[in-house]
Amino acid sequence: DADVTQTPRNRITKTGKRIMLECSQTKGHDRMYWYRQDPGLGLQLIYYSFDVKDINKGEISDGYSVSRQAQAKFSLSLESAIPNQTALYFCATSLNNEQFFGPGTRLTVL
Amino acid sequence: GESVGLHLPTLSVQEGDNSIINCAYSNSASDYFIWYKQESGKGPQFIIDIRSNMDKRQGQRVTVLLNKTVKHLSLQIAATQPGDSAVYFCAETRNDMRFGAGTRLTVKP
Repeated sequence: DADVTQTPRNRITKTGKRIMLECSQTKGHDRMYWYRQDPGLGLQLIYYSFDVKDINKGEISDGYSVSRQAQAKFSLSLESAIPNQTALYFCATSLNNEQFFGPGTRLTVL
Repeated sequence: GESVGLHLPTLSVQEGDNSIINCAYSNSASDYFIWYKQESGKGPQFIIDIRSNMDKRQGQRVTVLLNKTVKHLSLQIAATQPGDSAVYFCAETRNDMRFGAGTRLTVKP
């Protein structure tokens, strides 16, 4: 869905590096989310935000941080990447309960 | 612990047949459920939802059934087509959304 975009789409990095994943939306939704997806597993919630400057931890927030400086943007950071953070990362927005997902960022940590 | 999970990790059906994908949940306080479809290389896409005060909801070729007594959710796809091949997730909403592991549906021509 072009209304939710993620950059980069693919990234390979090394252990210990700082990485930022960006998410932008043109839907005008207040709520935004970051999930990770591992093979054979469902989506796990990392962080979510219900408004600008509002930040809430999800199921697996350790090792991650987020920033919501504007309604349209929600960024996810890995301060010091480790190999078990290799996964597919999805950003989503929501209106009421329906969520709209971005195309995903495939992150590989060597 | 509480969980959202699927009975079968894979499902293979013949084109034109009906498909049934199942999901179990354990939190009786969950009040809203969604089915998502995820095609290869794409993010999940909303298919259909149902609230806990309902036991059935129909969309175009899809029906979701909710059995609160046994905490079971199912997605029925009528006249399954090759374009229906994907991974299907159920999700439950309490304060946030929890996803099951997914079932991979393969449609044979």
